[in-house]
Amino acid sequence: QITLKESGPTLVTPTQTLTLTCTFSGFSLSISGVGVGWIRQPPGKALEWLALIYWDDDKRYSPSLKSRLTITKDTSKNQVVLTMTNMDPVDTATYYCVHMDYDSTESNFYYYYMHVWGEGTTVTVSS
Amino acid sequence: DIQMTQSPSTLSASVGDRVTITCRASQSISIWLAWYQQKPGKAPKLLIYKASSLDRGVPSRFSGSGSGTEFTLTISSLQPDDFATYYCQQYNSYPYTFGQGTKLEIK
Repeated sequence: QITLKESGPTLVTPTQTLTLTCTFSGFSLSISGVGVGWIRQPPGKALEWLALIYWDDDKRYSPSLKSRLTITKDTSKNQVVLTMTNMDPVDTATYYCVHMDYDSTESNFYYYYMHVWGEGTTVTVSS
Repeated sequence: DIQMTQSPSTLSASVGDRVTITCRASQSISIWLAWYQQKPGKAPKLLIYKASSLDRGVPSRFSGSGSGTEFTLTISSLQPDDFATYYCQQYNSYPYTFGQGTKLEIK
């Protein structure tokens, strides 16, 4: 059974750096084809994709946030860490990590979707 | 970025009704579309991937269809547990993008 759990501060002050950890079980990020992503949701608003990391350490970022985001993995600890610099009140949101599953095509292209979600962690940015 | 537009934003319906939610992509995404259900205070849950494939354990009253730029999520007979917000999401290309959500309310 795949499970993920997000952890990190619930309150950060503006300009601080946010560090969130996703601890997961039921799969390994050292296995070919596996990915973990981060998504956020401001209060009352829609979902926004932030970043993802694959088993081979390939990383993808939202272009609008790329300069502020870093995603890393620690396969020995079954963890993925997301850092976001220069936090602002507009970054107040619930942050989710997700296990990515994929479809493949006959020409060996892989398309990843968000399969299993963590429960989320709420982060408030305020002075 | 590919924009995803859902309609309607809010849908009022009764238990037993058949409902359809539409999702349109600003450019072709082939069949690389997923649907998620989210209840208040909870994480989203995958319902459908690859436009029409039901995730394991999802009731068969849910179905998805479409390709290219137009997609639909249909619930054949609404149950009390189905009142929630539904999101579509394209995974054809980065950055992944979501629709703005459709809130399904009890009439």
